[in-house]
Amino acid sequence: DQQVKQNSPSLSVQEGRISILNCDYTNSMFDYFLWYKKYPAEGPTFLISISSIKDKNEDGRFTVFLNKSAKHLSLHIVPSQPGDSAVYFCAARGLSGGGADGLTFGKGTHLIIQP
Amino acid sequence: AAGVIQSPRHLIKEKRETATLKCYPIPRHDTVYWYQQGPGQDPQFLISFYEKMQSDKGSIPDRFSAQQFSDYHSELNMSSLELGDSALYFCASSLRGRTQYFGPGTRLTVL
Repeated sequence: DQQVKQNSPSLSVQEGRISILNCDYTNSMFDYFLWYKKYPAEGPTFLISISSIKDKNEDGRFTVFLNKSAKHLSLHIVPSQPGDSAVYFCAARGLSGGGADGLTFGKGTHLIIQP
Repeated sequence: AAGVIQSPRHLIKEKRETATLKCYPIPRHDTVYWYQQGPGQDPQFLISFYEKMQSDKGSIPDRFSAQQFSDYHSELNMSSLELGDSALYFCASSLRGRTQYFGPGTRLTVL
């Protein structure tokens, strides 16, 4: 069972517009959520995170929104730039490992920024 | 800024052989995590160590073992390799369980 779901395998957005990537989760024990950007054959690069006690976190062009009641989070990128083209993974952390819990990843969304 | 270092970057092994992957965390990070990413898949958590003690365990096969050493580097030992073990293996590190920063990965190919 996929506890973190990214239902859009790919998303195409025009340069300068807003990119919105969505993520749903099923495990109510997740307390911390992260977004990573990944290029082929490279490791995931951390973008932004949000704790379950917040509903919004912003860092430059990136904003993450969390709706706990809906078990949904989204990443907004504005304005979108060509260098943003990559696979974006949503990840969640639980509480069972005493703080050193492994992350549960979604299957990723391939964002394509068109000029 | 210093990042997570993994070695080797590429490794080719035959079936039933053993492999050892190494991970050097970001300086002062106390927690190390291992992940496996198969082709077209999302990264799957294998195991983590906090202050040299195993902390959390995911879908790590019994053929695999890992440890964290006194200098905080970690090694993932894989025995009786199977074709299905071919994947990218990522190490990540964090400070006290906060944001995990990933290394570039080791690509393991089992022939």
